[in-house]
Amino acid sequence: AQSVTQPDIHITVSEGASLELRCNYSYGATPYLFWYVQSPGQGLQLLLKYFSGDTLVQGIKGFEAEFKRSQSSFNLRKPSVHWSDAAEYFCAVSTDSWGKLQFGAGTQVVVTP
Amino acid sequence: NAGVMQNPRHLVRRRGQEARLRCSPMKGHSHVYWYRQLPEEGLKFMVYLQKENIIDESGMPKERFSAEFPKEGPSILRIQQVVRGDSAAYFCASSPPERRGYGYTFGSGTRLTVV
Repeated sequence: AQSVTQPDIHITVSEGASLELRCNYSYGATPYLFWYVQSPGQGLQLLLKYFSGDTLVQGIKGFEAEFKRSQSSFNLRKPSVHWSDAAEYFCAVSTDSWGKLQFGAGTQVVVTP
Repeated sequence: NAGVMQNPRHLVRRRGQEARLRCSPMKGHSHVYWYRQLPEEGLKFMVYLQKENIIDESGMPKERFSAEFPKEGPSILRIQQVVRGDSAAYFCASSPPERRGYGYTFGSGTRLTVV
């Protein structure tokens, strides 16, 4: 069965430090891969997506993600976090031609001064 | 260009009542998707609709839940005879036909509380 795993439920990081959020997927072929961010009480905002090509993808707000086929991973990174990056982050995969998304359980990021 | 509009933002219903959640897609978007987010969980797909058609409802509970996207007006997610377990955030997303699967736009959600 297809699955998306975000191993870290909760991460605390200091402002200015680097951040890496892990995402692993289980699927026979290369799916479409996405990272979304959800601020409290808000909807989801697309940070970046990967379909094919360059395995290092740049997104909004200074985020990037790297697709590693051998590890079935699509980890999200940011070199220097800002207090405004505190939010919940969801990795998602799409395996249908029309784009039904399967989400991971999310990683809550707390940014400390 | 307004984003995906969902209303109400918050909805409180007593057990046994009906809940109607509305979603107006972005202008030019004819594809609508509904997702449910239970507390402490990620989003789960419920249903995918195009104008006047249900394309995939594999995530919809078999009873009490229904969805429509009429030719005119918003998409409606209807929950009849609500129970406590229906308390969740319900998100709608939309996309234009040529961008399906490319990461659609989500609304801010409707938070349903069943008391």
